[in-house]
Amino acid sequence: GAGVSQSPSNKVTEKGKDVELRCDPISGHTALYWYRQSLGQGLEFLIYFQGNSAPDKSGLPSDRFSAERTGGSVSTLTIQRTQQEDSAVYLCASSLERGTNSPLHFGNGTRLTVT
Amino acid sequence: TQLLEQSPQFLSIQEGENLTVYCNSSSVFSSLQWYRQEPGEGPVLLVTVVTGGEVKKLKRLTFQFGDARKDSSLHITAAQPGDTGLYLCADTNQAGTALIFGKGTTLSVSS
Repeated sequence: GAGVSQSPSNKVTEKGKDVELRCDPISGHTALYWYRQSLGQGLEFLIYFQGNSAPDKSGLPSDRFSAERTGGSVSTLTIQRTQQEDSAVYLCASSLERGTNSPLHFGNGTRLTVT
Repeated sequence: TQLLEQSPQFLSIQEGENLTVYCNSSSVFSSLQWYRQEPGEGPVLLVTVVTGGEVKKLKRLTFQFGDARKDSSLHITAAQPGDTGLYLCADTNQAGTALIFGKGTTLSVSS
């Protein structure tokens, strides 16, 4: 079946604009994760969804970042008033079960560039 | 907060050579996972190890988990260009909700 799909694959935006990144997880996967990957920082956890609720959003770096998940499926990550330091690859992953007991399946990411 | 340190940061070798990369944790692993990430793609799970002293083999890849469950190594025999990528180790965070990752080892295998 289809894997995790993320869109857009690339996004260039001007500083101060808002952006929305989309993630379509594997059908039936109840857990969904957002990570950020930047040079020198590795993969940073942002937020975890179980169904439509987010029991762990401790990794969101500021209140400019928010995420939601609807219908237990699609998730969007919104960054308001983007800053240059937000430039990174944003990766979404899903897994069949809650927590990390089942493997994470990652999408190919959205490369965000803030100019 | 658990810290995962991976070494070396970069490794560039010729096809056919053997190599080992390492992952060390500041605290005992819950369950260690190794991922490989190719350019432009997301990480893909290679293996999960849980038991101290465990050794797992995946074709030319051998994964070892330290007895004290605070360190792990990945050994590749006769590396091929297709092994090129970023190798990441990961563990479950303290809350049990997500994986935390090391910064990875970037491997380049040239023919």
